[in-house]
Amino acid sequence: DSGVTQTPKHLITATGQRVTLRCSPRSGDLSVYWYQQSLDQGLQFLIQYYNGEERAKGNILERFSAQQFPDLHSELNLSSLELGDSALYFCASSVLSSGSPLHFGNGTRLTVT
Amino acid sequence: AQSVTQLGSHVSVSEGALVLLRCNYSSSVPPYLFWYVQYPNQGLQLLLKYTTGATLVKGINGFEAEFKKSETSFHLTKPSAHMSDAAEYFCAVSVPNGSGNTGKLIFGQGTTLQVKP
Repeated sequence: DSGVTQTPKHLITATGQRVTLRCSPRSGDLSVYWYQQSLDQGLQFLIQYYNGEERAKGNILERFSAQQFPDLHSELNLSSLELGDSALYFCASSVLSSGSPLHFGNGTRLTVT
Repeated sequence: AQSVTQLGSHVSVSEGALVLLRCNYSSSVPPYLFWYVQYPNQGLQLLLKYTTGATLVKGINGFEAEFKKSETSFHLTKPSAHMSDAAEYFCAVSVPNGSGNTGKLIFGQGTTLQVKP
């Protein structure tokens, strides 16, 4: 158990809809990362938050947004969903010290129909 | 910019045989390197990491990896494969601390390890 909790585990929704994925980091970790995993793109970094502030942005679409709350949990919002957004979305957390690894949750599998 | 290349998207070995999963990286500065394993329907689990110091690092489940700067490689090995090692393995790189350090990992495309009885 990594200590990172993601909900829900599965999500099925229709094109054009909006969903919210939730992540609770490991106790003591201030940094949260979101990744998208798909068969054709592999593991793609989306966005990182550190103690409530956006720290780094990767290949995140404009239809996607995220935030980190004062209690350090994070939410990833996906809107105007398209079939191609179907993927496994992972949240990871770390202490953000030199060389610290990322600890991953079990992911949310999103299916857009 | 950093990048990671994993040679071979699928590797098949017999139980008891040597496991060798290849990883080459590209980085303008000495990187931090990681290997993760992903079992079906699970998240990524850290196997081992290299930051500084000894270039041969040992991880969980009998795996080890050697950092070779001259070859920009960080190959993962295990002397004797077990059926339970069947999974997908990811090599990843991050850039050490600096003013712009984020700690984010850049992953390779992954290698699926099949272990035959």
